[in-house]
Amino acid sequence: QQQVKQSPQSLIVQKGGISIINCAYENTAFDYFPWYQQFPGKGPALLIAIRPDVSEKKEGRFTISFNKSAKQFSLHIMDSQPGDSATYFCAAKGGAGSYQLTFGKGTKLSVIP
Amino acid sequence: DGGITQSPKYLFRKEGQNVTLSCEQNLNHDAMYWYRQDPGQGLRLIYYSQIVNDFQKGDIAEGYSVSREKKESFPLTVTSAQKNPTAFYLCASSSSQGLKNGYTFGSGTRLTVV
Repeated sequence: QQQVKQSPQSLIVQKGGISIINCAYENTAFDYFPWYQQFPGKGPALLIAIRPDVSEKKEGRFTISFNKSAKQFSLHIMDSQPGDSATYFCAAKGGAGSYQLTFGKGTKLSVIP
Repeated sequence: DGGITQSPKYLFRKEGQNVTLSCEQNLNHDAMYWYRQDPGQGLRLIYYSQIVNDFQKGDIAEGYSVSREKKESFPLTVTSAQKNPTAFYLCASSSSQGLKNGYTFGSGTRLTVV
């Protein structure tokens, strides 16, 4: 059972455009939602994260939007650059006492010049 | 620098052979994890350990074994019972003090059956 659904599977964006990746979850006990960025041949690295009591978090060109009622959250990459080309994973952590993450299946982003 | 070290970076396994992937962390994290990554499959949890001398099966534990004799180390053995072991293996760790900094991942080991 996939607890975190991520879309799209792949995304091509023009340089300077906005990349948007969406995730949806069912488990209302999730209380922490990170995004990871992975370059080929490397391990994922934490990019940005949000807790459900916040509707938006911005760090540089990266923004998480969180809709608790819809059980959805998304990653927006503004002014996308070729260096942003990577695979992005959303994740969610179980409630208090749990520190295990459930990952989405990933989105391969290609930013073309 | 604190981090997770996985070795080797590339590993080749013959049919019927057991191989062990190393994972060492110096972050003083309590929890450690092993994931398998295949194209289009995302990250699938193999085993995890929240404390020394204790570990639990993840979603795809069959054909794998682990040990956690030291806090810093969480080796993964891919046994001959794993019929399709070719994949990219990732080790991760996290603090038991919540996920303030999320998971920290190693750089991975790419295992190929020859």
